[in-house]
Amino acid sequence: KQEVTQIPAALSVPEGENLVLNCSFTDSAIYNLQWFRQDPGKGLTSLLLIQSSQREQTSGRLNASLDKSSGRSTLYIAASQPGDSATYLCAVNTGANSKLTFGKGITLSVRP
Amino acid sequence: EAQVTQNPRYLITVTGKKLTVTCSQNMNHEYMSWYRQDPGLGLRQIYYSMNVEVTDKGDVPEGYKVSRKEKRNFPLILESPSPNQTSLYFCASSFQQGWIYGYTFGSGTRLTVV
Repeated sequence: KQEVTQIPAALSVPEGENLVLNCSFTDSAIYNLQWFRQDPGKGLTSLLLIQSSQREQTSGRLNASLDKSSGRSTLYIAASQPGDSATYLCAVNTGANSKLTFGKGITLSVRP
Repeated sequence: EAQVTQNPRYLITVTGKKLTVTCSQNMNHEYMSWYRQDPGLGLRQIYYSMNVEVTDKGDVPEGYKVSRKEKRNFPLILESPSPNQTSLYFCASSFQQGWIYGYTFGSGTRLTVV
């Protein structure tokens, strides 16, 4: 059974720091991995989608990498801003019934 | 605009009163699914549908029903809601092109059962 872990559960950093959010998964047989952002009480916004054949994806200040063999992904946020404060969720798709298995998320707080 | 639309956004109901949460997507996606999100438990899949008239249980299907009569719609039905179904619900649709999948989520429905 696929399990996705995100540690730590919460993170507080000063504005301007470059930071790395980690995600690990137990079954490397995935089709893709997706990073989402969730603001309190809101929906999920897709940030980056990495297919299993890819090693990384970039969008603006965000860069996500994928190492399938070791079961790890990282989300790199450059020059963090208070507006980046949110919960970041990692989810893997193993293709079985197209289900996403989610981590519990990392709640990020960027202090001005 | 490509989107998944859920209604209502907020709902307070009483135990046992049947309700339906609607979900519609305009992207012609074959796959649709429902998730619930609870503190400390994260997001868990309730039901999914791989195409019209094809539905199956996810990880936490008890107390829920779904139907897929049209490709664009995938309603979630609670025949007799109970307080333990108080949660934040998300509908999602996904495309598949060969081995490539991508997900889009709705904005969520916050359900409170009293």
